[in-house]
Amino acid sequence: GAGVSQSPRYKVAKRGQDVALRCDPISGHVSLFWYQQALGQGPEFLTYFQNEAQLDKSGLPSDRFFAERPEGSVSTLKIQRTQQEDSAVYLCASSSLLGETEQFFGPGTRLTVL
Amino acid sequence: GQQVMQIPQYQHVQEGEDFTTYCNSSTTLSNIQWYKQRPGGHPVFLIQLVKSGEVKKQKRLTFQFGEAKKNSSLHITATQTTDVGTYFCAGFRSNYKLTFGKGTLLTVNP
Repeated sequence: GAGVSQSPRYKVAKRGQDVALRCDPISGHVSLFWYQQALGQGPEFLTYFQNEAQLDKSGLPSDRFFAERPEGSVSTLKIQRTQQEDSAVYLCASSSLLGETEQFFGPGTRLTVL
Repeated sequence: GQQVMQIPQYQHVQEGEDFTTYCNSSTTLSNIQWYKQRPGGHPVFLIQLVKSGEVKKQKRLTFQFGEAKKNSSLHITATQTTDVGTYFCAGFRSNYKLTFGKGTLLTVNP
């Protein structure tokens, strides 16, 4: 069956550009998460959606980062005025249940800011 | 805030040798999850441990959760080249927020 998909897989941006990263979770999954993974590190929590509601955005590094999930399925992570320190892999994950359950990760978007 | 630490950071073994990675939390965990990330890939869920002292096995992999629910380990018996990757433990800070360790990168020499 279809897993979590993300697009684009790779994105190169010039410093100062805006970028938008898309996540298609597994159909019917209630919970959606965004993580940032720097090279050699574990994924770091950015934000959490339960259906269309963004319940936690405490991990977003700055107000340049914005995420939405308007219809409770597809989600977009937007980064405005990108900086070099934004370079990382951005992972999306979804889970079917609320609470402490298995998360299914997408392949990630590797963002490089020049 | 909650910290999850893993050791070692890297481990290189000969095929057939055993491998263990350890995970420690600064706070008591409600449960712990383990993920595997192949080079260039994304994290894939392996297992979740919930009970104090729990031990679970998946073929050559043995997972343990400490009695105090603050530490965990993953042991692989007789490693194979297919075991190559980074193994992450992750604990829940709330009922949805996972805190990942930095992972242990396992390489296997055939």
